[in-house]
Amino acid sequence: DAGVIQSPRHEVTEMGQEVTLRCKPISGHDYLFWYRQTMMRGLELLIYFNNNVPIDDSGMPEDRFSAKMPNASFSTLKIQPSEPRDSAVYFCASREGTRRTEAFFGQGTRLTVV
Amino acid sequence: SQQGEEDPQALSIQEGENATMNCSYKTSINNLQWYRQNSGRGLVHLILIRSNEREKHSGRLRVTLDTSKKSSSLLITASRAADTASYFCATVTYNTDKLIFGTGTRLQVFP
Repeated sequence: DAGVIQSPRHEVTEMGQEVTLRCKPISGHDYLFWYRQTMMRGLELLIYFNNNVPIDDSGMPEDRFSAKMPNASFSTLKIQPSEPRDSAVYFCASREGTRRTEAFFGQGTRLTVV
Repeated sequence: SQQGEEDPQALSIQEGENATMNCSYKTSINNLQWYRQNSGRGLVHLILIRSNEREKHSGRLRVTLDTSKKSSSLLITASRAADTASYFCATVTYNTDKLIFGTGTRLQVFP
């Protein structure tokens, strides 16, 4: 398996534009996590899915953020409209089975909103 | 919100020395995990210790867990320049499947 694949690797967009980040988890993994990493706030869990169902979205900062997982092999994180304070590295991670296993991370998407 | 706080925030050592990083957390856990992040890359899992374990080894890594103090430590022995990275602890509680990360320690190993 190629691991968790995120696209794009880098995204530069203007304030007010819609941004969509994509993630392909490892095949067979039934948990998917979205994290945001900044210098100020560290690694924040935004939302996670189990078997394509959103379980906890309490970390999503505001209504401008939304995430979907239409099937087991694809998830999106959308920001609409984007703001400069959304600039960060966004990571997707997947995990197989219960909480007693490790998570595998993608390489991240570096988002810059100007 | 972050479950874990790590110290030190940054650590600089010479090759061959040992590096110790500490993690404290707030609520009861099912397990605690350590991850490594090279600059500009994703996180890589290093080791997992369950709440009923006190110590675990993997190669040059030694992890301890003290649930009474809600703390863990990661020891890297005989460090190498290639160990330069940020190290994060992450916790999983009994009542959720969430993986919550600490603030991280930046380790610099000088050749």
